[in-house]
Amino acid sequence: GDSVTQMEGPVTLSEEAFLTINCTYTATGYPSLFWYVQYPGEGLQLLLKATKADDKGSNKGFEATYRKETTSFHLEKGSVQVSDSAVYFCGLRANYGQNFVFGPGTRLSVLP
Amino acid sequence: SAVISQKPSRDICQRGTSLTIQCQVDSQVTMMFWYRQQPGQSLTLIATANQGSEATYESGFVIDKFPISRPNLTFSTLTVSNMSPEDSSIYLCSVTTGINEKLFFGSGTQLSVL
Repeated sequence: GDSVTQMEGPVTLSEEAFLTINCTYTATGYPSLFWYVQYPGEGLQLLLKATKADDKGSNKGFEATYRKETTSFHLEKGSVQVSDSAVYFCGLRANYGQNFVFGPGTRLSVLP
Repeated sequence: SAVISQKPSRDICQRGTSLTIQCQVDSQVTMMFWYRQQPGQSLTLIATANQGSEATYESGFVIDKFPISRPNLTFSTLTVSNMSPEDSSIYLCSVTTGINEKLFFGSGTQLSVL
């Protein structure tokens, strides 16, 4: 079945450091790919998405590119802030259905 | 977009009791989902709540344990029945407004079973 794997956390960075959170997936066909973020005490919210190969999703300085050849959707940010501290979930939705599949989440802590 | 109100936000319950979680959406939505997020784990889909018909459960989840209601296009409830400590988790309601649309999440219900 469909699955998502993402790097183990927690990840601790200093402010203004470069961030990469790896995400790879297994799915048939051409799924849509997502990154969701869960800030402390809040529900999940969509951070960015990409619906086809080579698409780049971007939001709030975060970027991720849909790489079908490597089945990856790595999340990057050039300069993290303390306010980016959260749990990040990589997910996919297969093109044949409505169900979403999520990775285990990566907790990011950014220190001032 | 969709704004989801989920309650209670947290509860501490005794073993053997049941808790009903409510999910209210500010607009009519076609698909409503219930997820569980166990400590340190990813989101796991429990079931899809279908308006006017029985919910569709994922492998490992059954209606007797997690009965779901969906009386209309803006509201759903999930009941966690005969609770045990293993049911301690965050339960999340989520919706999508249509095919190829993104998923919106409620803020979750943190359940602790003693």
